[in-house]
Amino acid sequence: QSALTQPRSVSGSPGQSVTISCTGTSSDVGRYNYVSWYQRHPGKAPKVLIYDVNKRPSGVPDRFSGSKSGNTASLTISGLQAEDAADYYCCSYVGTYTVLFGGGTKLTVL
Amino acid sequence: QVQLQESGPGLVKPSETLSLSCTVSGGSLTNYYWSWIRQPPGEGLEWIGYIHYSGSTNYNPSLNSRVTMSVDMARNQFSLQLTSVTATDTAVYHCAREMCTGGSCFFGDWGQGMLVTVSS
Repeated sequence: QSALTQPRSVSGSPGQSVTISCTGTSSDVGRYNYVSWYQRHPGKAPKVLIYDVNKRPSGVPDRFSGSKSGNTASLTISGLQAEDAADYYCCSYVGTYTVLFGGGTKLTVL
Repeated sequence: QVQLQESGPGLVKPSETLSLSCTVSGGSLTNYYWSWIRQPPGEGLEWIGYIHYSGSTNYNPSLNSRVTMSVDMARNQFSLQLTSVTATDTAVYHCAREMCTGGSCFFGDWGQGMLVTVSS
């Protein structure tokens, strides 16, 4: 099964909003509302930002939001800050208790 | 907050078996699913599989024939074995704890990751 499709890179200036897309198929992203998003700074453990498409774990700022339309899920970061520069990964349930990750997106804060 | 730490050889020869352990501190293995996830250089994340504290497992179909996971409740550890490795198994290997709410789960806690290189 191929990885979910994410843009290799996105960029934005401090204070702006950026959106990272995650495209799957009708068998994964389109079928289940079980998409999660992870942030990874170099050399650090990934951190969950969003689960179940649009839910935030406690402690995650509300600048991070998730949504889904059809086979594409999206992560939006508003009020961009320098510390948001990181790699971002989406993950979707694909059935039979298995999950699939995206290829990752590098966010550059200009 | 629970902490996870991967350990094991950082270099494995082709055709041999990769063996890693994940030690959990600040919490118990009980009532959770525990996963292994890897990231080859320059590529995205790949879920390898999970083990429940009861010992039940589920593996990525693409790796199923080569993967075995086990749990050691006494040592608060769980382990990964990947047989017949090749250079394509070179990756940073993470262990993670799954947090399950209702019908879904996500990876709530991660280890920092450990680079395992397959080379002769």
